[in-house]
Amino acid sequence: DTGVSQNPRHKITKRGQNVTFRCDPISEHNRLYWYRQTLGQGPEFLTYFQNEAQLEKSRLLSDRFSAERPKGSFSTLEIQRTEQGDSAMYLCASSTLDYGYTFGSGTRLTVV
Amino acid sequence: TQLLEQSPQFLSIQEGENLTVYCNSSSVFSSLQWYRQEPGEGPVLLVTVVTGGEVKKLKRLTFQFGDARKDSSLHITAAQPGDTGLYLCAGGRNQGGKLIFGQGTELSVKP
Repeated sequence: DTGVSQNPRHKITKRGQNVTFRCDPISEHNRLYWYRQTLGQGPEFLTYFQNEAQLEKSRLLSDRFSAERPKGSFSTLEIQRTEQGDSAMYLCASSTLDYGYTFGSGTRLTVV
Repeated sequence: TQLLEQSPQFLSIQEGENLTVYCNSSSVFSSLQWYRQEPGEGPVLLVTVVTGGEVKKLKRLTFQFGDARKDSSLHITAAQPGDTGLYLCAGGRNQGGKLIFGQGTELSVKP
């Protein structure tokens, strides 16, 4: 297993378009997390899954954001009607029921 | 409101110097983790501390969790250019749950 894989690495989209990102976690990890990071800040929690169940979603997350993990393996994060303020690095991480996360390299979204 | 405050935010030092980064909160955490992040990449876990007063050493890096589990520090001895990066602390309130990150400390070590 080569770690957590995120695709695409970079995405440029026009304001108002929808975008979808994919995360493939480490295969034996049952927990999967999405974070967003803007320049000069630490990652900000968005949502997380245990297997296919979405256990928590940030109250800061607008209804334009949705995440799924249909078979408890890979996950997708969709942003509808993108806005310039959505420009950020979107990070995915996975873990087992211990304390350490393994992060992917992220998807950098630029909304123009 | 930043639940975890890191200081300093920026640190530029010469190779061979020592440094300490602090991570403070008014909240209690069940665990505290430190990550290092390079530009364009995701954070990489360095260490997890879970017991108040715990000290862990990783080569030239020493991590400490405060007795009350509200604060932590990272000390680097004889810094090297390869230590350059963004250092992030992150607190967890339950095992396997979400982490709350500090804003990071940008470290630059000049040769």
